[in-house]
Amino acid sequence: GESVGLHLPTLSVQEGDNSIINCAYSNSASDYFIWYKQESGKGPQFIIDIRSNMDKRQGQRVTVLLNKTVKHLSLQIAATQPGDSAVYFCAVLRRDTGNQFYFGTGTSLTVIP
Amino acid sequence: DSGVTQTPKHLITATGQRVTLRCSPRSGDLSVYWYQQSLDQGLQFLIQYYNGEERAKGNILERFSAQQFPDLHSELNLSSLELGDSALYFCASSARDRVDTQYFGPGTRLTVL
Repeated sequence: GESVGLHLPTLSVQEGDNSIINCAYSNSASDYFIWYKQESGKGPQFIIDIRSNMDKRQGQRVTVLLNKTVKHLSLQIAATQPGDSAVYFCAVLRRDTGNQFYFGTGTSLTVIP
Repeated sequence: DSGVTQTPKHLITATGQRVTLRCSPRSGDLSVYWYQQSLDQGLQFLIQYYNGEERAKGNILERFSAQQFPDLHSELNLSSLELGDSALYFCASSARDRVDTQYFGPGTRLTVL
């Protein structure tokens, strides 16, 4: 199977600071990765994705870094805002298991005003 | 708003009962995925339908079944409910059969008493 884990279940940051959320996966056959944001009472919301042929991708205030050597994925949020408070989790796609996504349990980010 | 709708938002029922959860994908999306999210656990993939046909199965119990109708909405049927079935159930949709970015609905919270 696939094991997907986040390094910290909770993270607190000051408003305006940068946040880094990490995710580790177990299988080298994983080739597509997504970060989702889930606010309380809502469904997961797509933030950013990256394919295995890349090691960095940037969006608006977010950057995803992929290190395939150590099977590690990180999400960086610049200038964190109170509205960024949510649970963040990574999803890992393994093509060799029939296009099935495996999800981490999530890191709960709290932004302190 | 992702464009994926799910009903009902909340469902409370008793052990042994049967319930049906409904999902309408985003306009134009042909693939529907069902996920279960239990407390403190990551999303668990249950099943995928593409244009009315079952495409992939994950950790779906035999007591659970799903279908996708000609208008592309989908229903997840849960029967002989147990306390452990209490969870959030999410539906997601994507444009094609090939798994890529999925857009999630707001979820149905099922409580089995």
